[in-house]
Amino acid sequence: NAGVMQNPRHLVRRRGQEARLRCSPMKGHSHVYWYRQLPEEGLKFMVYLQKENIIDESGMPKERFSAEFPKEGPSILRIQQVVRGDSAAYFCASSGAATRNEQFFGPGTRLTVL
Amino acid sequence: EDQVTQSPEALRLQEGESSSLNCSYTVSGLRGLFWYRQDPGKGPEFLFTLYSAGEEKEKERLKATLTKKESFLHITAPKPEDSATYLCAAPNQAGTALIFGKGTTLSVSS
Repeated sequence: NAGVMQNPRHLVRRRGQEARLRCSPMKGHSHVYWYRQLPEEGLKFMVYLQKENIIDESGMPKERFSAEFPKEGPSILRIQQVVRGDSAAYFCASSGAATRNEQFFGPGTRLTVL
Repeated sequence: EDQVTQSPEALRLQEGESSSLNCSYTVSGLRGLFWYRQDPGKGPEFLFTLYSAGEEKEKERLKATLTKKESFLHITAPKPEDSATYLCAAPNQAGTALIFGKGTTLSVSS
């Protein structure tokens, strides 16, 4: 299955710890997007990356959150010093360059902050 | 401000009872309107892309249509396995992100 892969699927962290979420795009896709889904708010865009470049991070909180998509390996969304409000489902999507807006989603990582 | 609004929030149907879900948008220079299906605990599954007013696309019991201001997802003779949350999305003006509606949660009972 060459779909978008995310790991871990579930992640539990205590307040103040770091969370690292990984995303491998679909084969042949070079554009990666991260979204956050809170129970009553729907899916919200966080950041859009291409290999080694952040294209749009307008949806990322200014502090504690960072994202990267290195030349080799998966894209990583990093949350430092997690707080309870960071508990949510985080989804990664990918698209190919020719159909940049047609995004395919992974299964998500469900982060719980205790 | 770019916005996507879906209605109703929830819809309960009997098996075989056809209906429609609505998605209205206020995005300048629309570059496509996307429909996804999301099952509990899973990621959104891509269904359709519509690019121009008047365009229609079908998949099994689902048909999506697009006008200049809104899109409809028609469900014909639904089955219990069609129960899910249906999400509508449109690209932002920069084309760098999808703006999602809050979804319509469909429940089909036998």
